[in-house]
Order: sequence, then structure tokens, then C-alpha cells
Amino acid sequence: NAGVTQTPKFQVLKTGQSMTLQCAQDMNHNSMYWYRQDPGMGLRLIYYSASEGTTDKGEVPNGYNVSRLNKREFSLRLESAAPSQTSVYFCASSALSETQYFGPGTRLLVL
Amino acid sequence: GENVEQHPSTLSVQEGDSAVIKCTYSDSASNYFPWYKQELGKRPQLIIDIRSNVGEKKDQRIAVTLNKTAKHFSLHITETQPEDSAVYFCAASKQGGSYIPTFGRGTSLIVHP
Repeated sequence: NAGVTQTPKFQVLKTGQSMTLQCAQDMNHNSMYWYRQDPGMGLRLIYYSASEGTTDKGEVPNGYNVSRLNKREFSLRLESAAPSQTSVYFCASSALSETQYFGPGTRLLVL
Repeated sequence: GENVEQHPSTLSVQEGDSAVIKCTYSDSASNYFPWYKQELGKRPQLIIDIRSNVGEKKDQRIAVTLNKTAKHFSLHITETQPEDSAVYFCAASKQGGSYIPTFGRGTSLIVHP
């Protein structure tokens, strides 16, 4: 039981490049989330998926897109990376209205 | 929407002292309040939670209290140890339907040996 996994662990991009962050969970959770964490800003919700087939914007969705590929997988895409997107990205999952379980994070540096 | 304020942003204590972190929330319908601990370079992990039908919950050296009338809840850590040094996040949400918690901005707890 791996819980929530994320790939890659670390990535360096040049401004304008695109990339997809992958997330998978094996806990049969309905809900999945993408957060970004910046110093002093806590965890800010980018997008979430309450259940398979649905996605909704969070607090800071601009510059990102998501895909809920199936119940297990939820990906985050940066179409044209900007230095302001330098951050640590966490994926999380939860059963309905219960504790969130976080992945190990992806550290992204945009030059 | 919900707004969660967390204080202090930084807390420095001596080993063995107690530490208290406070959060206030704005939506009286919120009824689930988890606390997460994030060690340096690691993911946030749940350490304790409380639901609105309970006023206090304890787990060894950690306790959480909830005051629904005042809309605030607190994390209490007794007999602090260096390994308690981490960033602590509170959150508030409504059970039922989608679970979209609102997080506080975090408290960096430093325990000096």
C-alpha cells in the first residue's frame, strides 16, 4: 500500500516549457487535490476533483490544468511555465469528508 | 467562503515547555478540524483531529480543544521535544458532500534542546 505517490520529485523548467505532474493513490479515495506551497503562504488549493469525472478550480488555478484520468490518477499540467510557478506541489486524496493524505511533493524550479 | 486564521506564525520554546497554537474560523457550519504536522522537506501528515460534537480530544502529549461559540480551536503540545520541531497547519471544513478544507497559514514550532 503506497498511499499517494507523485512524479517527478524534482524538476527544472525554462520559462515557456510545459510539463505534467503525475499523482496516483491506491486508497480507493473519491476526492483528489493539487496544492502549491510557498514560504509563508501555507497550502493553497489549485484544483480538486471531488469524484471521478469532475474537476473544479481552487484558490489559485490560473496557469494550470488538471485531468482526473480515473479514480486513482489526477494529473496537473503547466502549459507554459512561468517563474511565479516555482513552488512545491503536493497532491492529496481523501475519502468523502475525511482526512487528507498527501503525496511526497514535487519541487519545481522555473528559470 | 471559510476563512481560517492561525497564530502565531512562529513559536519558539524550550524543551519540556508546553506549546499552544490557535486557529479561528469564520463559517459556523464547519464541523471538522484536523491538524497536520509537516517536518522539513516532508509531506503534511495528520496528527490529530476533532469534530464539532466534541470539545476536547487527547492523544498522549497532544490535545486539541474546540470552542464552537467563539469559533476557535487550539493545538496543545505538552513536554515538548526537539522532534516536535515542525510546521503545524490547522484546517476547517464541512463534512458531507465534497471535502474542501481551508487551511491556516501554518505555525513554525522550534523546540530548543
